[in-house]
Amino acid sequence: GDSVTQMEGPVTLSEEAFLTINCTYTATGYPSLFWYVQYPGEGLQLLLKATKADDKGSNKGFEATYRKETTSFHLEKGSVQVSDSAVYFCALSDGAGGFKTIFGAGTRLFVKA
Amino acid sequence: GAGVSQSPSNKVTEKGKDVELRCDPISGHTALYWYRQSLGQGLEFLIYFQGNSAPDKSGLPSDRFSAERTGGSVSTLTIQRTQQEDSAVYLCASSFTGAEAFFGQGTRLTVV
Repeated sequence: GDSVTQMEGPVTLSEEAFLTINCTYTATGYPSLFWYVQYPGEGLQLLLKATKADDKGSNKGFEATYRKETTSFHLEKGSVQVSDSAVYFCALSDGAGGFKTIFGAGTRLFVKA
Repeated sequence: GAGVSQSPSNKVTEKGKDVELRCDPISGHTALYWYRQSLGQGLEFLIYFQGNSAPDKSGLPSDRFSAERTGGSVSTLTIQRTQQEDSAVYLCASSFTGAEAFFGQGTRLTVV
């Protein structure tokens, strides 16, 4: 069945460091891909998405490119801030899988001042 | 409403009691999901509705858990004979089919 695998955390970075959180997926069809973020004490919210191969999703300085050849959707940010400290979830929705949204385990990011 | 609404926001119950958690999805959203998040953990999928039917109930942990959705809208997650290991935040999300999911704030369940 469909699945999402993302790098284990926690990831600890200093402010202004470069961030990469790896995400790979397995899907029967051609899924839409998402990154969600959960800030401390808050609910999950969509960060960015991409609906087809080679699409790049971007928001708040974060980017992720839908790579069909490597079945990946890695999250990147060039310069992280303390306020980016949160848990990040990679997810997919696959029509062949009935459009159920499947989430990865989440990666906790700590950014130090 | 403007967003996904869950009630109650907090629930403390005694072990062995039944609880009902409610989710009001965004109007018009066809898909509805229930997830569970234990402290510091990821999202555990429980059940997925498409309209009123549940094509995937594979995540329900035991037969003490059940869920229904009526009128293609409101959903109720019921936990019978609650146990301490049921303590978690229960999250509901809704979406148009295949699109991004919008989450409620969750119900924090504590079984004492």
